[in-house]
Amino acid sequence: YVLTQPSSVAVAPGRTATITCGGNNIGLKSVQWYQQKAGQAPALVVHYDRNRPPGIPERFSGSNSGNTATLIINRVEAGDEADYHCQVWDSSEDVLVFGGGTKLTVL
Amino acid sequence: QVQVRESGPGLVKPSETLSLTCSVFGAFVSSHYWSWVRKPPGRGLEWIGYVYDAGTTNYNPSLKSRAIVSVDTPKNQFSLKLRSVTTADTAVYYCARVSDSSAFVFDPWGQGRLVTVSS
Repeated sequence: YVLTQPSSVAVAPGRTATITCGGNNIGLKSVQWYQQKAGQAPALVVHYDRNRPPGIPERFSGSNSGNTATLIINRVEAGDEADYHCQVWDSSEDVLVFGGGTKLTVL
Repeated sequence: QVQVRESGPGLVKPSETLSLTCSVFGAFVSSHYWSWVRKPPGRGLEWIGYVYDAGTTNYNPSLKSRAIVSVDTPKNQFSLKLRSVTTADTAVYYCARVSDSSAFVFDPWGQGRLVTVSS
């Protein structure tokens, strides 16, 4: 199972960043999103498509339908600059899959 | 608050075995799923495998049976052994708790351990 992400997304501060994760019928799976800032470990920002863990700002949201899952970051801040990775569990193959990661640049 | 921390050699020779340990704080290693993930330079995250119930495991088929993940319950640790390494195994290795085994949600993660494969 393959997850496809754009390699990079650039957005101005205060605008909305949209990061996609494409996969065959990904809408039937639960998608997680991880934020990885430079030199740091990944951190969970969205799980089960659209749920935020405690401490994650409401500016972060997610959706998942058809062949595309999306991470949306509203009112982007400089501190949001990071790599973002999507992830699913492929139950048909018993394999966990990550997307290739998207580098978010805040202009 | 659960925390995990990787330890082990940062340099391994080609054809040898990479060995890392993850120490668990704030939870019992026998009570959750635990996993290893790596990030090669310039590439995305790659799942290596998981262990739960103090011994049941599952691995990424791409590693072609080179990986072994095991639990040391008395020490509250779990470990990774990756045999017959090559330079392609150079990566930052992370351990993580699987906080939800229905969708395999990883939280928290360790800070990572850079392992370089070189002679």
